[in-house]
Amino acid sequence: GQSLEQPSEVTAVEGAIVQINCTYQTSGFYGLSWYQQHDGGAPTFLSYNALDGLEETGRFSSFLSRSDSYGYLLLQELQMKDSASYFCAVDQTGANNLFFGTGTRLTVIP
Amino acid sequence: EAQVTQNPRYLITVTGKKLTVTCSQNMNHEYMSWYRQDPGLGLRQIYYSMNVEATDKGDVPEGYKVSRKEKRNFPLILESPSPNQTSLYFCASSPGWGAGGDTEAFFGQGTRLTVV
Repeated sequence: GQSLEQPSEVTAVEGAIVQINCTYQTSGFYGLSWYQQHDGGAPTFLSYNALDGLEETGRFSSFLSRSDSYGYLLLQELQMKDSASYFCAVDQTGANNLFFGTGTRLTVIP
Repeated sequence: EAQVTQNPRYLITVTGKKLTVTCSQNMNHEYMSWYRQDPGLGLRQIYYSMNVEATDKGDVPEGYKVSRKEKRNFPLILESPSPNQTSLYFCASSPGWGAGGDTEAFFGQGTRLTVV
């Protein structure tokens, strides 16, 4: 079987830093993706990690540890527009699909 | 503009009345897929296609059909919709798949389907 675990909700203050964790259990693994979805909108791609380490894209960074089956998305200098749902997704060997977690709803407060 | 276009955006239908949701992409992507999104369950894949005339089941294929006769189009067909298929549906496309391929998925704007 396969499973992805991420917190259902996170609240953080504008200007702060927040980390959204994702642990996965799969029979094979190519990489871990992160997607952002605003209410009423479509998911949009944020980042992809295939190798261990940190990938940085502006205010967003994503980390992967393959040995720990764990990754996280780090959002810095939070803005109100970052309030959205964030999904991690696993790209598995032997399966031609992205398996999504159930999402973390981030609320940024003033 | 690179995009994935779904139609319709909203649809209310009755149980048993066949319907089709269209999906078209203009990025010449090989891989296309359909997801449904339900509260608390995230995005679950219904069907995917790795190229023209090559489709396969995802995690929740029951009650759905797809076809891929052209690279750009990937319609989702509900032959006999039931209330448990009420959901938000997304079509997505990506350039490649797995093992170093470019797997960034581009999503359409979604179709909110209600079956009564």
